Amino acid sequence: GAVVSQHPSWVICKSGTSVKIECRSLDFQATTMFWYRQFPKQSLMLMATSNEGSKATYEQGVEKDKFLINHASLTLSTLTVTSAHPEDSSFYICSVSQGANQPQHFGDGTRLSIL
Amino acid sequence: RKEVEQDPGPFNVPEGATVAFNCTYSNSASQSFFWYRQDCRKEPKLLMSVYSSGNEDGRFTAQLNRASQYISLLIRDSKLSDSATYLCVVNPAGTALIFGKGTTLSVSS
Repeated sequence: GAVVSQHPSWVICKSGTSVKIECRSLDFQATTMFWYRQFPKQSLMLMATSNEGSKATYEQGVEKDKFLINHASLTLSTLTVTSAHPEDSSFYICSVSQGANQPQHFGDGTRLSIL
Repeated sequence: RKEVEQDPGPFNVPEGATVAFNCTYSNSASQSFFWYRQDCRKEPKLLMSVYSSGNEDGRFTAQLNRASQYISLLIRDSKLSDSATYLCVVNPAGTALIFGKGTTLSVSS
């Protein structure tokens, strides 16, 4: 069965809208979750590491004020794309890991299209 | 040098063929290695971890050469359902993963 649940799977909205994406760990408590973004024909790129109860760690070039991450519980992390623009259109995927050097399990992904 | 490099393909093979994918990584301190499979417009799914001693899972065999910083995946007796993009994934340290761009495989009847 699924280890990670991500919602919504598809979002289409107007430019300037803020979009919230939820990522839930179903099988275990996750102190750390990861948010990735994938543009067409590109590799997955880590955006940020979400830490339960503390601030997220953002990768270089990722605007923390634009991509708000909240990890309020051990099973839920949310990513909010604030004031989204067409260039933010992408495939956003979250993942969880059971520990260092362990494989990550991915959510189904959210396909975001900004008109 | 890119952190994880793969031949993008596409590899077009007939059913039953054996196909091999290669991957190189730049960080010699990398600790763990994986192959993921990604179908079109879907999330990546773990295919197998890669161990120094080499490991096999059915028709799939993975090899790791730490000295050459090289990882391989061999698929025997290819099936139509094997058509996908195969992602070489490296964990340099801790828990963040570095993904290659993927190698596309197309198996035809």
